[in-house]
Amino acid sequence: NAGVTQTPKFRVLKTGQSMTLLCAQDMNHEYMYWYRQDPGMGLRLIHYSVGEGTTAKGEVPDGYNVSRLKKQNFLLGLESAAPSQTSVYFCASSPSAGGYGYTFGSGTRLTVV
Amino acid sequence: AQSVTQLGSHVSVSEGALVLLRCNYSSSVPPYLFWYVQYPNQGLQLLLKYTSAATLVKGINGFEAEFKKSETSFHLTKPSAHMSDAAEYFCAVSERSNDYKLSFGAGTTVTVRA
Repeated sequence: NAGVTQTPKFRVLKTGQSMTLLCAQDMNHEYMYWYRQDPGMGLRLIHYSVGEGTTAKGEVPDGYNVSRLKKQNFLLGLESAAPSQTSVYFCASSPSAGGYGYTFGSGTRLTVV
Repeated sequence: AQSVTQLGSHVSVSEGALVLLRCNYSSSVPPYLFWYVQYPNQGLQLLLKYTSAATLVKGINGFEAEFKKSETSFHLTKPSAHMSDAAEYFCAVSERSNDYKLSFGAGTTVTVRA
């Protein structure tokens, strides 16, 4: 049981380039989330999805887009990368809302130069 | 709006000593509360959670946390630190008013001295 898988694990982009981060879960979870982690700031929610075909903005959505065409996949896109988007990105999933907690992927370390 | 505050960004303990990590939340209604651990270059792993059952919650690796409504706290403890406990720890809250999305504290890094 792989849980939540993120690809790629590392990436270096030049300012203005675009890329897509892939998150895949094999637990049949309805809810999926994208967070970014920056030193001293904990994790901040970028976008989330409460089911296939749905997306919603989180705390820091600017500069990112997402899609959930299949239940098991949640894609995070950067259309025009900026140095401020240098961060570690985590995907997570949960069965539903409530006290379940999340299952996290191992993260993608993105550097924008 | 919900928020969670972790007191102390760094904690250093001796091997075998008590580990105490502090977490306070601000919510008018007791939320769901979680502690996660993050080892270097890894994702977050759930240590334990409070979901309105017992106020003293036991988790993995010998950790436990006590929910205190009067103090709006959910402090994490471990009686005897081990070298393998060196990691970053995050407190998180979720409540109905925010559709149960997790909000995380800033994290506390634990170092263990031999």
